[in-house]
Parts: sequence; structure tokens; C-alpha cells
Amino acid sequence: DQQVKQNSPSLSVQEGRISILNCDYTNSMFDYFLWYKKYPAEGPTFLISISSIKDKNEDGRFTVFLNKSAKHLSLHIVPSQPGDSAVYFCAASSSNTGKLIFGQGTTLQVKP
Amino acid sequence: EPEVTQTPSHQVTQMGQEVILRCVPISNHLYFYWYRQILGQKVEFLVSFYNNEISEKSEIFDDQFSVERPDGSNFTLKIRSTKLEDSAMYFCASIIRDRTYEQYFGPGTRLTVT
Repeated sequence: DQQVKQNSPSLSVQEGRISILNCDYTNSMFDYFLWYKKYPAEGPTFLISISSIKDKNEDGRFTVFLNKSAKHLSLHIVPSQPGDSAVYFCAASSSNTGKLIFGQGTTLQVKP
Repeated sequence: EPEVTQTPSHQVTQMGQEVILRCVPISNHLYFYWYRQILGQKVEFLVSFYNNEISEKSEIFDDQFSVERPDGSNFTLKIRSTKLEDSAMYFCASIIRDRTYEQYFGPGTRLTVT
């Protein structure tokens, strides 16, 4: 089941620079997309979400962009901080079920 | 800030034994979920629960699995006869689901089946 894919298993950026994490999906029924951050031995922590009626949502240093025609979304973190180092999961949902379908995750390392 | 809690944090059990994983969702949330993450793999949906019944389940959630909300606060996942491949992190999540779909996750229970 590869309905949600994060093709980059890891990303390394310098502190203060922009981090861009990417996610692709295949199911046209998805109408809500979320990003979660996860530290080892902890549960996923909700970061930011976007509805399919929008193409951008911003919350502080975090911005999510949605390109429905390409079935692609991205998470921008700017400026990146060492505390942002974690695994980031993209997830998708359709409003009629509510269950989340997760990508494989991207490990972000922000170097001081 | 309210949060989802899970107990135990780590459960070791022998193959064939029954385990019960417990969750206390956020108090005003209405929808409850169980997910699992096998080491090195993605987080997978197991089951959703609303209004005291299962609303959806995955193909993973076979007859060995069951869920219950025995009282107004707890939400449990039971595995009747554990297999080695049930070893994973199990996460409970809850959501109000009025206008948004952000699920809030507990810290997880690490289940090790030997």
C-alpha cells in the first residue's frame, strides 16, 4: 500500500536555512493532509495540516504547500533549528473515514 | 494541555499469550484510533472506533484483535493470542472531528513478543 510516499528517507540542512520535506499521494479521495513530527520512543506530534480546498497553510516557521494536480505536498521549515531534528511523517485522510494513511517518514537533521 | 496517555509503556509477552493495551483519550474527543509501527516501517492504521462500535478496520485487524471502551475514559486494544509479528509500537489516537481532522497521539506501547 503506497498511497502516500515520502521518497527521501533523510535530509540534512544547516541551522538557519530552509528545510523542505516532500510527500506524494495517489488517492484522489484524500481531502486532508497532515504533517507529524516524531522523536524516538514517542508518539507522533501534530505539526500542521491543510485541507484540499487550500494550497497553502502557514503556522509560524512551518508552511505546508499542496499541489492537487501533481498530488504533491511539501513542508517548509524556515529557519531550521537543531531542535527540529526528528522524523517527519506526511499523512493523508479522507473526510468520510478519518483514518490516517502515513508515508514512510523523512529523518531531518539540522546541524548547528 | 490535555494529552492522550497509554499504559504500559513496554509490554513483553510470550507467543500465544493475551495482551491488553490501554489508552486514555482526550476527554472531549469522540473518535478513537489504534495504529501500529513495526520497527523500521511506516505507521499503519488498525481500527477506528466511534459511538461504542468499530467504524473501520484494516486487514491487519483480524479476529485476534478486539477493541473496547469499557468505561467513559479508557479505550483498550486486546490481542488474544500474540504472534512474533505482533511485535511493534502501538499508538492510540483521538480526535474531536468536528471541523478538523488532526488526530492526537499517545506516546505508544512497545509490545515485544518472544
